[in-house]
Amino acid sequence: GDSVTQMEGPVTLSEEAFLTINCTYTATGYPSLFWYVQYPGEGLQLLLKATKADDKGSNKGFEATYRKETTSFHLEKGSVQVSDSAVYFCALGTGGFKTIFGAGTRLFVKA
Amino acid sequence: DVKVTQSSRYLVKRTGEKVFLECVQDMDHENMFWYRQDPGLGLRLIYFSYDVKMKEKGDIPEGYSVSREKKERFSLILESASTNQTSMYLCASSPGQLSADYGYTFGSGTRLTVV
Repeated sequence: GDSVTQMEGPVTLSEEAFLTINCTYTATGYPSLFWYVQYPGEGLQLLLKATKADDKGSNKGFEATYRKETTSFHLEKGSVQVSDSAVYFCALGTGGFKTIFGAGTRLFVKA
Repeated sequence: DVKVTQSSRYLVKRTGEKVFLECVQDMDHENMFWYRQDPGLGLRLIYFSYDVKMKEKGDIPEGYSVSREKKERFSLILESASTNQTSMYLCASSPGQLSADYGYTFGSGTRLTVV
């Protein structure tokens, strides 16, 4: 069945470091792909999305490219800030009502 | 600003009580969802609804029921609360029939403790 695998955390970085969080997926058909972010004590927020192969989603300095050939949707940011500390979820839209979420990757950014 | 509002941030209930978790959205979205989030288990879908009075079971519906009498409101009901239902509960909504293409708008969550 459809699934999402993302790198285990926690990921600890210093401020201004480069961030990559890996996400790969398995799906039939042509899914949409998403990254969500969850700050402490809050619900999830949609960070960015891509609906077809080679699309790049971007928001708040984060970006991810939908790579069909490698079935990947890695999240990147060139220079992280302390305020980026959160849990990041990769997700796959199956084309119906359901979305499949990855397990989440916790990011700590040190000043 | 569009919103999904969950009625309580924190809730403490006793074993055996009937518990209602309320969720309201102001975006005229057709689809609404209830998830629970537990450490190490991620997000698990309990129930969803794609229209008023319509509901579908998710992956873990046992011990829960839902109600959607109005488009903007989706209630999760724990018929007889048990300690293994202690969790963070997240409500979400999305537009249209292919909701998976649009992404979800989540509420802030309700942290329920059953004692």
